[in-house]
Order: sequence, then C-alpha cells, then structure tokens
Amino acid sequence: EAGVAQSPRYKIIEKRQSVAFWCNPISGHATLYWYQQILGQGPKLLIQFQNNGVVDDSQLPKDRFSAERLKGVDSTLKIQPAKLEDSAVYLCASSLSGAGNQPQHFGDGTRLSIL
Amino acid sequence: GDSVTQMEGPVTLSEEAFLTINCTYTATGYPSLFWYVQYPGEGLQLLLKATKADDKGSNKGFEATYRKETTSFHLEKGSVQVSDSAVYFCALSASGGSYIPTFGRGTSLIVHP
Repeated sequence: EAGVAQSPRYKIIEKRQSVAFWCNPISGHATLYWYQQILGQGPKLLIQFQNNGVVDDSQLPKDRFSAERLKGVDSTLKIQPAKLEDSAVYLCASSLSGAGNQPQHFGDGTRLSIL
Repeated sequence: GDSVTQMEGPVTLSEEAFLTINCTYTATGYPSLFWYVQYPGEGLQLLLKATKADDKGSNKGFEATYRKETTSFHLEKGSVQVSDSAVYFCALSASGGSYIPTFGRGTSLIVHP
C-alpha cells in the first residue's frame, strides 16, 4: 500500500511570510494527525482529525496556524505569519481509526526553516 | 496531563551488547503504549506496541512489557547490531475519551562495530 505522502520535503521562508503543507494519508485511514517536531524533541501533536472533524486542536497556535481536511481525505496545514520559533519538521500521520490501539503511519515530514 | 519520560541519550553500545531504553509514563485510564523508531533519513515507523497491562510487544528482536504497577514500558534487545542505530520514541495513546497521542523526546542509539 502507498504510504503517507507529504509535500514539500523542504521549505525555507522569511519570518512573517506564510507557508502551507500538504498531506495525503493512507487510503481508508479515517484519522489524520499533524505534529511539530523541533530538533532534539519528540513530536508534539498540533491537530487530530477524525474524517473531516477535529478531535483535538488544543496545542495548535490558532492565532497563526490553521488546518483543514475538507473531504475527509487529504489535509493542509498553514502558518501565517511565520515566526522564527516555527522552524521544525512538520509530520503528518494517519491511522485506520482513532482507537487507542491503532498504530500511526508517518510521512517523511516537511523541514521548515525560518530566516 | 499525559506525559512520557524517556532516558536521555545518546546511548552508545558496541555490537552484540544488551540494550535497555527506559520509558515511564503518566496517563489517565488505561493507555496503549508504543515504541516508534526513526532510522537516519527516514520517517517514524512503528516498532512494537502493547495495549493492556502485562502485554509484551516484540518485533525485530526488540521487546517491551507493559508494566502498570511501575507505569513503565522499557525497550530491550539482547544483542544490538550496527543497523539498529536510530532514534527510538516511546509513545502512549490514552483512553480517556478521545485517544490523543503523546510522545517522549526520543533516545538516540549509536551502535559501533
């Protein structure tokens, strides 16, 4: 089966600019996750979708970050405007369902550098 | 809130040495526990999991046992190889309503020939 696809792989922007990331989960996976991984730290959940509804977005900085999954399949994460501290790898993952025993399948991530 | 604590890295071992990476957790309810591995230049992938107390997850020679009494899920391997060099992440998915995942900060393993 095809894995989780993310694009772009790398992005360099200046602070205060905007950026968007795209994710296509594994076919049939109902749950989609976006994480932020800062160098030397574990992934931090930003938002979790179940189909096209939001399960949790408590750690999403909503003044600058937004995410959508309009048709319950692929998803976009946007940052506007970017700050220096947003430099990180942004990971997308999917799982068959939101049940706690379901493992997540990760994409390769987008490495974002803010100048 | 839920949390996962892993031992600090890097862990440096010689080939064929015994490996233990400690992981303890704090969670409400009865979480499922996972170990993910990230090889150099690759994405995270599931290594093993355990979904209830006393369960043992195993894969590729790695094992971890879900210990509810000590809230731990330590990763072990009897004889490591150079190819096991990677970053290992302990994670949980808590069962208090929505299953929100929480990851540890990762432990880097370096295995020398």
